[in-house]
Amino acid sequence: GIQVEQSPPDLILQEGANSTLRCNFSDSVNNLQWFHQNPWGQLINLFYIPSGTKQNGRLSATTVATERYSLLYISSSQTTDSGVYFCVWGQAGTALIFGKGTTLSVSS
Amino acid sequence: EPEVTQTPSHQVTQMGQEVILRCVPISNHLYFYWYRQILGQKVEFLVSFYNNEISEKSEIFDDQFSVERPDGSNFTLKIRSTKLEDSAMYFCASRSTGGNQPQHFGDGTRLSIL
Repeated sequence: GIQVEQSPPDLILQEGANSTLRCNFSDSVNNLQWFHQNPWGQLINLFYIPSGTKQNGRLSATTVATERYSLLYISSSQTTDSGVYFCVWGQAGTALIFGKGTTLSVSS
Repeated sequence: EPEVTQTPSHQVTQMGQEVILRCVPISNHLYFYWYRQILGQKVEFLVSFYNNEISEKSEIFDDQFSVERPDGSNFTLKIRSTKLEDSAMYFCASRSTGGNQPQHFGDGTRLSIL
């Protein structure tokens, strides 16, 4: 089956630090999404990025579909960035496959 | 921005009882999905639904589960004879037509089986 591998599995940062989360996937992609799961369990959509680069405030994401990976970059991290970050893979119309996530803890 | 709405936010049920989880997808979306997340684990696909029928389902989605679109706005997941291991967060998602589109997720229903 399709593999969606996220690294690192856990990340501890001081407030203000930058970080890069990586997602490798084993098959071609039409749908690549990044989610942040907050402490209440809600999945917050960060990016829909099957290819290219997008930025939203302190967050940016890049997907290189030909090399089957995506990166999520968090700059100037804040305590509210804590939670689990999921990379989610899909092809046209199919079910999404979630990675196991990166658990981020940002301390003040 | 339109949202996917799920009710209830938390459901507590005795083992063996039936539960119905409800979702209101985004109004012009035609593809609907249910996912499940057991505590501490990753999110897993259960079922997808299009044109009033199941289009894809996972191994998890056995005869205990069923889905329905009873009217033009609701999409439901029914779990018959619940078991302790059904305790999880259940997410509904919807997607519009027209090529590759993102799935939009609701806030989830936390189901606790006692």
